[in-house]
Amino acid sequence: QVQLQESGPGLVKPSETLSLTCTVSGVSMISYYWSWIRQTPGKGLEWIGYIYYNGTTNYNPSLKSRVTISVDTSKNEFSLKLSSVTAADTAVYYCVRTIPPDVWGKGTTVTVSS
Amino acid sequence: ATQMTQSPSSLSASVGDRVTITCRASQGVRSDLAWYQQKPGKAPKLLIYAASTLQTGVPSRFSGSGSGTEFTLTISSLQPEDFASYYCLQDYNYPFTFGQGTKLDIK
Repeated sequence: QVQLQESGPGLVKPSETLSLTCTVSGVSMISYYWSWIRQTPGKGLEWIGYIYYNGTTNYNPSLKSRVTISVDTSKNEFSLKLSSVTAADTAVYYCVRTIPPDVWGKGTTVTVSS
Repeated sequence: ATQMTQSPSSLSASVGDRVTITCRASQGVRSDLAWYQQKPGKAPKLLIYAASTLQTGVPSRFSGSGSGTEFTLTISSLQPEDFASYYCLQDYNYPFTFGQGTKLDIK
């Protein structure tokens, strides 16, 4: 079956760049959109952005200046970079097959702290 | 951004009850509305998409309706495993936006 698995550091220092990778198994990335979504107790669920298998992206305007999502279909993975992080970026980050978001990774907790 | 307002934000009910959760969009989203169930420590699980289409494997006691700006999720007869949080999501307007959630607990 389709599975997604997030990986990356669980702790990032303020002002640094958060980097996560999502490894996709059980399906080709071709013809799908792939998203990053995060969840915090305060703001709830927030869509960060998506990438199409051909590299087309769409980002949430609230994060657009700091976000880059990339894809490597040969490795069946896509990645998130979020720059200049602050404590407000502390969240559980999910990678998700989209549209609609139907298959989710288990999520990875990222804490921004010095 | 399209604001999604869910009501109620919390709800107490008993096994066997019929429950309805509402989601209102600040602007029209056609039928591009999905519902999710989330249990503590787990990722959200897709229940319904396109406002009323049941995701494969989801019990038929779950149903969705609506279009435009008003949507409902109904659970016809609550089962013990249904006590969880529920979220709506619109994926018509960018950025995609979620409701704030409804926490359903046991009365």
